[in-house]
Amino acid sequence: DIQMTQSPSSLSASVGDGVTITCRASQGISNSLAWYQQKSGKAPKLLLHAASRLESGVPSRFSGSGSGTVYTLTISSLQPEDFATYYCQHYYSTPYIFGQGTKLEIK
Amino acid sequence: QVQLVQSGAEVKKPGASVKVSCKASGYIFTGFYIHWVRQAPGQGLEWMGWINPNTGGTNFAQKFQGRVTMASDTSITTAYMELSSLRSDDTAVYYCATGPGYNYFDYWGQGTLVTVSS
Repeated sequence: DIQMTQSPSSLSASVGDGVTITCRASQGISNSLAWYQQKSGKAPKLLLHAASRLESGVPSRFSGSGSGTVYTLTISSLQPEDFATYYCQHYYSTPYIFGQGTKLEIK
Repeated sequence: QVQLVQSGAEVKKPGASVKVSCKASGYIFTGFYIHWVRQAPGQGLEWMGWINPNTGGTNFAQKFQGRVTMASDTSITTAYMELSSLRSDDTAVYYCATGPGYNYFDYWGQGTLVTVSS
């Protein structure tokens, strides 16, 4: 199984800050990576797939990059609605594994 | 618009089985795989497997092999996930999810809380 290591597990930032979350795969996943945002008590929301392809309706302050085994999600200029938990997920092969999550909190 | 509506919360005793349904609408039901993902309280997301409603084919995470069954009924555009031999650590919110990407999840159900307790 391909494991995903996501860091940091929690992050404190202020409105207007930029933040970066990293996911490392235990082997190359050829950009087969998605990012999700989850708010308390709600289902996850897909933000990006193929490592960097932004979903329709997702603000352009969200961006993704990476290759091989290391991928990042960057949120520029945080807005109040961005404070949530973020997960990466590889879909290179089954089982599809999620990262452990990053809880983004308001400083 | 694509909608996935799941069945209501369940409380089960250890050793029992639970069956969760996921009613799909707003797209061609046989066009997308339906996946099941669970989330234990305060924990992360765990992929359980998928079903191809067009063929009935399934693919399960090894962890759930032998305990999980996935099925679909195209006549009522509904998918089902049944988990047997329930344990307390199966207590979780169970989500169905789908989308044109096949292996990542554009659309999610609202979640079904399954509580396993004696």
